[in-house]
Amino acid sequence: QVQLVESGGGMVQPGRSLRLSCAASGFTFSNFGMHWVRQAPGKGLEWVAFVSYDARVEHYADSVKGRFAISRDGFNNMVHLQMNSLRPEDTAVYYCARIRDSYGYNWFGSWGQGTRVTVFS
Amino acid sequence: DIQMTQSPSSVSASIGDRVTISCRASQDIRNSLAWYQQKPGQAPNLLIYYASTLQSGVPSRFSGSGYGTDFTLTISSLQPEDFATYYCQQAHTFSLTFGGGTKVEIK
Repeated sequence: QVQLVESGGGMVQPGRSLRLSCAASGFTFSNFGMHWVRQAPGKGLEWVAFVSYDARVEHYADSVKGRFAISRDGFNNMVHLQMNSLRPEDTAVYYCARIRDSYGYNWFGSWGQGTRVTVFS
Repeated sequence: DIQMTQSPSSVSASIGDRVTISCRASQDIRNSLAWYQQKPGQAPNLLIYYASTLQSGVPSRFSGSGYGTDFTLTISSLQPEDFATYYCQQAHTFSLTFGGGTKVEIK
């Protein structure tokens, strides 16, 4: 059974950094691209970042490009999101998500429970 | 970026009603579209992908249609557990984008 468990959320001041982690289990981690998706309080879903199954390809939303970095650790089946220069508008629940099919299209087939990030001044 | 526009933003319906939600892409995305259901306090759940393929375990009262720029999610007979917010998402190109969501409420 696919399981994704996020951690690392919290409350930080603008300009500071935070590192989110996602522990994956129940599937062959090295076969699947992984994403981070966020949801601001009371708002809709916003895709944030993607890392390919082999870590060779990364993509970012324009809103986080140059500030956030996604990475994966195949040894420990983890995905990370390093968030630098945080802004109040980065306040959201951050979800880790796995694509539905190995090497497939970017539908989000499995989701974690989310970790909350609050950026306050 | 491809913009995804959903309508309506909310709909009030009764148990047993047929509900239709629309999603329009700002450019041709072929059938690279998914639909998600999200209930309060929960992560989203994939319902449909490739515009019309039902995810395993999703009830057959959910269906999707469309190609190119115009897509539809239909719930044929609304059930109590279907009251939620629904999102479309394009997977045609990065940046991946979602529609603004449609909240299905009890009439």
